[in-house]
Amino acid sequence: NAGVTQTPKFQVLKTGQSMTLQCAQDMNHEYMSWYRQDPGMGLRLIHYSVGAGITDQGEVPNGYNVSRSTTEDFPLRLLSAAPSQTSVYFCASSYLRGPYEQYFGPGTRLTVT
Amino acid sequence: QKEVEQDPGPLSVPEGAIVSLNCTYSNSAFQYFMWYRQYSRKGPELLMYTYSSGNKEDGRFTAQVDKSSKYISLFIRDSQPSDSATYLCAMIKLSNQAGTALIFGKGTTLSVSS
Repeated sequence: NAGVTQTPKFQVLKTGQSMTLQCAQDMNHEYMSWYRQDPGMGLRLIHYSVGAGITDQGEVPNGYNVSRSTTEDFPLRLLSAAPSQTSVYFCASSYLRGPYEQYFGPGTRLTVT
Repeated sequence: QKEVEQDPGPLSVPEGAIVSLNCTYSNSAFQYFMWYRQYSRKGPELLMYTYSSGNKEDGRFTAQVDKSSKYISLFIRDSQPSDSATYLCAMIKLSNQAGTALIFGKGTTLSVSS
């Protein structure tokens, strides 16, 4: 099993550009989520999904879109990048039953200039 | 008030020390309580989880939950330099409408010196 994979590992964007962060898992997990991690702020939930076709907003959803067309993939789209979106982004997945252990990807380091 | 509060530290201890890491929470709807460990430039990994009040032990690690006080702790005995990492508490709220939401504390950075 590859677990949770994320691409790209690093990305630099200019303000106003759009891009998609890719996330895939091969564990047949129902639940997938995106977090951003900033110094002093911890992990903050952006969006999550409990299955194909079902998504919901987390704590900090503004400026991001998600969709879930398959169980395996959960891409995160930045519509118009802003410097405030400079962060490390983690994708995670889990089964929808206890203990709900989240498996994290290796992260994408995004810089917006 | 944040739903989960965790002192970010940093915390520096000598090798062999007992380490105590703590989180408080405000929402009594939380049901699963977890500790994740994150090494530098890596994703978090689950270290331990508990479901009810009480203690759970795994080797040098003990997780403690006190639901009446809304307080959870992680104890590390005989700390090692390899324990140097950021430790994040996390809690799950179960929602019938929208599935689950995992809420993290900000993380405590621990450094163990040899």
